[in-house]
Amino acid sequence: KQEVTQIPAALSVPEGENLVLNCSFTDSAIYNLQWFRQDPGKGLTSLLLIQSSQREQTSGRLNASLDKSSGRSTLYIAASQPGDSATYLCAVGGTSYDKVIFGPGTSLSVIP
Amino acid sequence: NAGVMQNPRHLVRRRGQEARLRCSPVKGHSHVYWYRQLPEEGLKFMVYLQKENIIDESGMPKERFSAEFPKEGPSILRIQQVVRGDSAAYFCASSDSRGEKLFFGSGTQLSVL
Repeated sequence: KQEVTQIPAALSVPEGENLVLNCSFTDSAIYNLQWFRQDPGKGLTSLLLIQSSQREQTSGRLNASLDKSSGRSTLYIAASQPGDSATYLCAVGGTSYDKVIFGPGTSLSVIP
Repeated sequence: NAGVMQNPRHLVRRRGQEARLRCSPVKGHSHVYWYRQLPEEGLKFMVYLQKENIIDESGMPKERFSAEFPKEGPSILRIQQVVRGDSAAYFCASSDSRGEKLFFGSGTQLSVL
């Protein structure tokens, strides 16, 4: 059974700082991994999708890496801004499972 | 080019009533997922459907809950005889094929009085 964990659960940083969010999964036989952002009371917005054959994806100030063998992914946010404050979720799609499994999320606060 | 549309945005029901949650996927998407998010908890998978088929319902309670995705019309998540523990945000997501990016709706907040 696939399990997804995220560290830290919460993070508070001053504006302008670079930061890293971590995601771990127990079954390395994944199809893809996605990072999402969720604002309070809102739905989820997909940030980056990494297919199992890829090692990283970049979009603007965001960079996500994937290491299947170790069961880890990181989301790197450069030059953080107050508007980046949200909960960040990683989600794993598996070859053995047709459903996408979510981690519990990291709550990020960027202080002006 | 509308995204995933969920309605209603908020739904209030008394214990024992039925709740029907609707989800219209992105146009052309044939894969629909339902998730439940309890306060202070993560998103929990409930059911995965393709047109007219339930592919995986392993996350859905065996009793009172059902889901469908008919050939025409939105996907429906139906909760019969609601209880207070059903109060949660229910999110729907769609994709155009397996393994592609998921697009989420804004969710339906169900409150059971």
